[in-house]
Amino acid sequence: SQQGEEDPQALSIQEGENATMNCSYKTSINNLQWYRQNSGRGLVHLILIRSNEREKHSGRLRVTLDTSKKSSSLLITASRAADTASYFCATDGPDSWGKLQFGAGTQVVVTP
Amino acid sequence: EPEVTQTPSHQVTQMGQEVILRCVPISNHLYFYWYRQILGQKVEFLVSFYNNEISEKSEIFDDQFSVERPDGSNFTLKIRSTKLEDSAMYFCASRVDRGYGYTFGSGTRLTVV
Repeated sequence: SQQGEEDPQALSIQEGENATMNCSYKTSINNLQWYRQNSGRGLVHLILIRSNEREKHSGRLRVTLDTSKKSSSLLITASRAADTASYFCATDGPDSWGKLQFGAGTQVVVTP
Repeated sequence: EPEVTQTPSHQVTQMGQEVILRCVPISNHLYFYWYRQILGQKVEFLVSFYNNEISEKSEIFDDQFSVERPDGSNFTLKIRSTKLEDSAMYFCASRVDRGYGYTFGSGTRLTVV
């Protein structure tokens, strides 16, 4: 299985602080993706990092990928209350038709 | 921004009944998917669809499940005889090509009673 597994499971921070969450996976990947899910809602694609990339930025998001350790991290800088959500990593393997393997997610709560 | 549209947003059905969940993917996307998320659990892959046929399916996607793209725009998931354990949020997703991020719909919450 090439499941992504996030840690921590839950994270509580104050507005303005940075939030970091990690993802580990087991087998080779084409890319790794991060998604956000607000409670009871759909999944929103945040960022995709390919296996030959080491770091990627999008606005206040920074993603790193270490394929030797089979791990990725998502950093949200200067967090806002609106960042409160669950964050999932998902791996896209080389041998599939794009089946994503999701982790269990990190629940982030940002308090004003 | 283009969206994947799912209907209905919530469906309640009796055990043993057939349900059809509907999705309209983004028009220039080529790959279509169904995922589900049982409450409190991980998002699970069900099936991928490309070039008018199933390209991959999971163990969950047994003979009770089927998918169809009847008219080039809609993408449907049918569950022939629902079970209590089919209760979940079902997500449709599409993407323009392999190696790109998905666009997910907002989901259909299926409750089987």
